[in-house]
Amino acid sequence: SQQGEEDPQALSIQEGENATMNCSYKTSINNLQWYRQNSGRGLVHLILIRSNEREKHSGRLRVTLDTSKKSSSLLITASRAADTASYFCATDAQGTYKYIFGTGTRLKVLA
Amino acid sequence: GAVVSQHPSRVICKSGTSVKIECRSLDFQATTMFWYRQFPKKSLMLMATSNEGSKATYEQGVEKDKFLINHASLTLSTLTVTSAHPEDSSFYICSAKMGPSGQPQHFGDGTRLSIL
Repeated sequence: SQQGEEDPQALSIQEGENATMNCSYKTSINNLQWYRQNSGRGLVHLILIRSNEREKHSGRLRVTLDTSKKSSSLLITASRAADTASYFCATDAQGTYKYIFGTGTRLKVLA
Repeated sequence: GAVVSQHPSRVICKSGTSVKIECRSLDFQATTMFWYRQFPKKSLMLMATSNEGSKATYEQGVEKDKFLINHASLTLSTLTVTSAHPEDSSFYICSAKMGPSGQPQHFGDGTRLSIL
């Protein structure tokens, strides 16, 4: 399977703490994206990082990409209860039109 | 911007019924639309990719006669689950993308399909 792996599978933290999620993938990529999914809803695009970029910021989100290790991390700083959701990485494999989604991390932020 | 509308949000029907799900890009033209299936607490599994005016490309293991996909315009794709059975019960999500590689996908809110 080409599916990426994410860890941890589940993460529970207190409001105000930082949350870090990791994603590993298997093939060379053009870009990597992070999405958020609230329970029973569609996915919301958070951030896209291209294969020639190493770090990207958007508000309280920080994404890193290490193509030599085929891995990425998503850091959410100063978490809020509203950040509770599942987070998925998706890779746009070179030479294909497909997006391969990771297994996801279920984040729970306790108020 | 980049809003995708998926309808219906929930369907409950009897075994043997065919169900059509619509996916519309409301404020952009989608060159490509994707259909996914998601099991509880699992990731998204790509079922098929459709480009406007051409036949959908199905992933391995997905029955094209079971899951009919039509992409008649740059803003509308439909997925029809034909003669649905309880094992087809799932959460189906569409997404739409504009332009070339490197653009994000924009997702609909999903359809919860329950076959009795």
